Amino acid sequence: AQKITQTQPGMFVQEKEAVTLDCTYDTSDQSYGLFWYKQPSSGEMIFLIYQGSYDEQNATEGRYSLNFQKARKSANLVISASQLGDSAMYFCAPPGAGSYQLTFGKGTKLSVIP
Amino acid sequence: NAGVTQTPKFRVLKTGQSMTLLCAQDMNHEYMYWYRQDPGMGLRLIHYSVGEGTTAKGEVPDGYNVSRLKKQNFLLGLESAAPSQTSVYFCASSYEMGSGSRSSYNEQFFGPGTRLTVL
Repeated sequence: AQKITQTQPGMFVQEKEAVTLDCTYDTSDQSYGLFWYKQPSSGEMIFLIYQGSYDEQNATEGRYSLNFQKARKSANLVISASQLGDSAMYFCAPPGAGSYQLTFGKGTKLSVIP
Repeated sequence: NAGVTQTPKFRVLKTGQSMTLLCAQDMNHEYMYWYRQDPGMGLRLIHYSVGEGTTAKGEVPDGYNVSRLKKQNFLLGLESAAPSQTSVYFCASSYEMGSGSRSSYNEQFFGPGTRLTVL
């Protein structure tokens, strides 16, 4: 089974500061990219950003960007100018076996401090 | 567009009872998925479907059955509920899995979840 490692169970960041959430994964199939999802305390899963494995540039979506290092199998999420509404669980999700599935890490709980 | 909806939102069962969770999507997606989320864990895939009339097992399929009789609906059944099945269940749908190129990806869209407690 694919292994996804999010090494930071919980993190704190000061409002307006930047924060990096780590994700490494172990997959033999590097043809597919990787997703990040956000889960606020209300429980819904919100798509944040996607990185294609063949994309030469790191993905960016507004305040979210990825530091993607394909050879190291890592795709760290960078949130710039943190806001109170960024407090949530963040999950890294590369495709799993057969490419149809997403395999989720255990997540990082981010708390933004005013 | 309602997106992905799940019915019911909450349910309490006794051990041994059966129930069916309904997932519906109005985005004409081919792929649909059922996940469970337990405390301190990410989502784990139970079953998935790549089209009407097809289903396949995911990471944790034991104790569950699924059916995809219509493209827009994906049902998850528990024939004899056990306390270990207490969890939050999420349904998701997508056009296709993300491939290497950014331009061809489609993310999975998630329903709001169903909180199931088995006593």
